[in-house]
Amino acid sequence: EPEVTQTPSHQVTQMGQEVILRCVPISNHLYFYWYRQILGQKVEFLVSFYNNEISEKSEIFDDQFSVERPDGSNFTLKIRSTKLEDSAMYFCASSRAGPKYEQYFGPGTRLTVT
Amino acid sequence: GQQVMQIPQYQHVQEGEDFTTYCNSSTTLSNIQWYKQRPGGHPVFLIQLVKSGEVKKQKRLTFQFGEAKKNSSLHITATQTTDVGTYFCAGPRYGGSQGNLIFGKGTKLSVKP
Repeated sequence: EPEVTQTPSHQVTQMGQEVILRCVPISNHLYFYWYRQILGQKVEFLVSFYNNEISEKSEIFDDQFSVERPDGSNFTLKIRSTKLEDSAMYFCASSRAGPKYEQYFGPGTRLTVT
Repeated sequence: GQQVMQIPQYQHVQEGEDFTTYCNSSTTLSNIQWYKQRPGGHPVFLIQLVKSGEVKKQKRLTFQFGEAKKNSSLHITATQTTDVGTYFCAGPRYGGSQGNLIFGKGTKLSVKP
């Protein structure tokens, strides 16, 4: 069964550094998402991406965040200057279409900012 | 702003007992989705409910969507240790599109063998 994959599984970075989290969505899916989950808390929507542009973003997704689909398979989340509070699990998800279809989540990247 | 609330936050049951988690939205939802997250894992889609009053079953799991499309429940009959995890409900953000989901805080289920 096709899966969403994410790399790395764990990223440790120093405050102020840039990080890029990578995702490979399921190949025939058209919508891509990033979520984050602070340890023990709920899953929070960051951004959705369709047709090579951002469809929606939450208030969490400020100027420090950006997303890109650099080629036909990868979908990346960049955090320009990490803060301690960016430490969380970041999940990528994809779906065949919009809100009427289930989202398939990747295994996540645990980001630790020190 | 729009909120999706779940109760209880935690539920500890003996294996074989039933379990129910409740989800309430501050706004009417076009659909509601349920996800399960095992400890250390990622959310896994369980089901989507779309119609008012809809009831769907998956083996020992029964999902309901309220008549007003603002609340939902997940009931597990005769829990097993494999049911352990956190169960999240999620609904599309009101006025949003493209799958911007608002998740509840989840109900963490532990099952004592």
